[in-house]
Amino acid sequence: QKEVEQDPGPLSVPEGAIVSLNCTYSNSAFQYFMWYRQYSRKGPELLMYTYSSGNKEDGRFTAQVDKSSKYISLFIRDSQPSDSATYLCAMQGYSSASKIIFGSGTRLSIRP
Amino acid sequence: ETGVTQTPRHLVMGMTNKKSLKCEQHLGHNAMYWYKQSAKKPLELMFVYSLEERVENNSVPSRFSPECPNSSHLFLHLHTLQPEDSALYLCASSQGQGHNQPQHFGDGTRLSIL
Repeated sequence: QKEVEQDPGPLSVPEGAIVSLNCTYSNSAFQYFMWYRQYSRKGPELLMYTYSSGNKEDGRFTAQVDKSSKYISLFIRDSQPSDSATYLCAMQGYSSASKIIFGSGTRLSIRP
Repeated sequence: ETGVTQTPRHLVMGMTNKKSLKCEQHLGHNAMYWYKQSAKKPLELMFVYSLEERVENNSVPSRFSPECPNSSHLFLHLHTLQPEDSALYLCASSQGQGHNQPQHFGDGTRLSIL
């Protein structure tokens, strides 16, 4: 079983829709959770960073962590064509020396 | 220049060639990383350097040889590569390795092994 599971997509939604991207994980030691966005031919850029369970909102983006279910989500409201990219979830244990473990990414396309 | 810059952006090489990938960060960070990104696979951490010392070698074959001459520059020397080494190689940097120290990525070198 992979440590982090992420549906590769592709996921295609119309402009303005609410997008839900998800990851599940198996290692209960993960405490820090991240979402990266990667445009075509570019490196990943950090979108959201959360610690432990709960919600964090930043503009149109909301990150949600449910540690009891080992499940994290990224919601995008009022999606725009510029949101079309691959979204990578990532997580890290409590020790600062812990490696960051990435999901394989979900390809998202927003149709105008 | 700002951020993390990687050169070349694309590289095609034969299995017997020797080449090097270069990464430069202009962020004043003291930790640098090499990752391998293959299609539909998670990013794989290869090497970690902190304060110019290698702190992690993630069971990477010896045909990949990293070098960190100073905190701003990171190289990946390649020799006798295999077709399965074709991938996007990403460099990242961060201010320390602690939490709340996000990694900033370059745009990668797309490597193709003939």
